[in-house]
Amino acid sequence: DAGVTQSPTHLIKTRGQQVTLRCSPKSGHDTVSWYQQALGQGPQFIFQYYEEEERQRGNFPDRFSGHQFPNYSSELNVNALLLGDSALYLCASTLGQILYGYTFGSGTRLTVV
Amino acid sequence: AQSVTQLDSQVPVFEEAPVELRCNYSSSVSVYLFWYVQYPNQGLQLLLKYLSGSTLVKGINGFEAEFNKSQTSFHLRKPSVHISDTAEYFCAVSAQGAQKLVFGQGTRLTINP
Repeated sequence: DAGVTQSPTHLIKTRGQQVTLRCSPKSGHDTVSWYQQALGQGPQFIFQYYEEEERQRGNFPDRFSGHQFPNYSSELNVNALLLGDSALYLCASTLGQILYGYTFGSGTRLTVV
Repeated sequence: AQSVTQLDSQVPVFEEAPVELRCNYSSSVSVYLFWYVQYPNQGLQLLLKYLSGSTLVKGINGFEAEFNKSQTSFHLRKPSVHISDTAEYFCAVSAQGAQKLVFGQGTRLTINP
């Protein structure tokens, strides 16, 4: 049973560029959340998608946007990249509610130079 | 809003010794509590969760945690650690009905032979 799959695993971008990260949730899960984990920090909530709509959003600027597709997969887009956007981006999936616990992917390591 | 404080950034212990990783939280509403483990270059794996009921929660890999509402704590324990337990451990809280996890800064557990 495949878990959460994220692509790519590593990415290097230049300041000002745009990036798209992709996530396939665990089979049977319908809810996808994205987290940003800076080096040496705990993950921070970016937003959550359910039924193709953004259900909740954390304290991130509008440069961060997302999408969920009918097959429940999701994309995270970041525009106008800053050096401070360098981090591990984690996708997590669950079935509807957080109380069931998230399944996390291994993440995409984004480096902005 | 919720917040989490992990009281130790690093905890070194000898193999087969007991360990306790401390976590305090703050919230004005009822919460769910979680512990996650992150092995090097991997995503997060759920160790255990407290939703309601018994305050002693047992998880995977021999870990357990105790919810103490009066002290707003959710400390993680293991009676005998192994080299393979070397990892970063994150405590997280979610307000009941909310969709996001708020993580602590993490505790790096190092097991010495």
